[in-house]
Amino acid sequence: DARVTQTPRHKVTEMGQEVTMRCQPILGHNTVFWYRQTMMQGLELLAYFRNRAPLDDSGMPKDRFSAEMPDATLATLKIQPSEPRDSAVYFCASGLAVFGGRGVEAFFGQGTRLTVV
Amino acid sequence: GIQVEQSPPDLILQEGANSTLRCNFSDSVNNLQWFHQNPWGQLINLFYIPSGTKQNGRLSATTVATERYSLLYISSSQTTDSGVYFCAVERHAGGTSYGKLTFGQGTILTVHP
Repeated sequence: DARVTQTPRHKVTEMGQEVTMRCQPILGHNTVFWYRQTMMQGLELLAYFRNRAPLDDSGMPKDRFSAEMPDATLATLKIQPSEPRDSAVYFCASGLAVFGGRGVEAFFGQGTRLTVV
Repeated sequence: GIQVEQSPPDLILQEGANSTLRCNFSDSVNNLQWFHQNPWGQLINLFYIPSGTKQNGRLSATTVATERYSLLYISSSQTTDSGVYFCAVERHAGGTSYGKLTFGQGTILTVHP
């Protein structure tokens, strides 16, 4: 069945290390989102792409975070160097935007639980 | 940005009870979704409902866009309904939808057997 797939599901890393999270959007979806969930801030949008082009990454700390879509089946979120405050669950979501359509229904992956020690 | 407020923050029910969750938002929207986050952390789509009423089994939802609120009804609740229910909206921006969702803080639902 169609689903958004994220890897890894869990990641524990030491402060200062590079972390890469991967996402495979639902086939045919043209919009990909990265969200972060923490107890304090809830769910926040970090970045999103339309047709692989970055549209908005204003929610991301630019100095250490980067997001890319090397191809239509892969989105990556990278943190370098990682810090303890980056500990959170990172969700990828995808949706299909249709010209003139009302809205984009987002479907979420299972998330990557990141712990930086 | 748009504000999203959900109520109540916490809700405890006995199995079989009915409940209503509310989502208020501060601006016009062209996208509203309800999600259930289960105890394993997975975000499950319940409804895509920028306006109108939809039903899916024991769940139904109504969005009154002109009055800026949405309601999620859960009937005959089951223990598997436990989790956090999120409302998320996208502010209407001149007919263009980008899919950028702003989430409420959620309603934590606990259903006891």
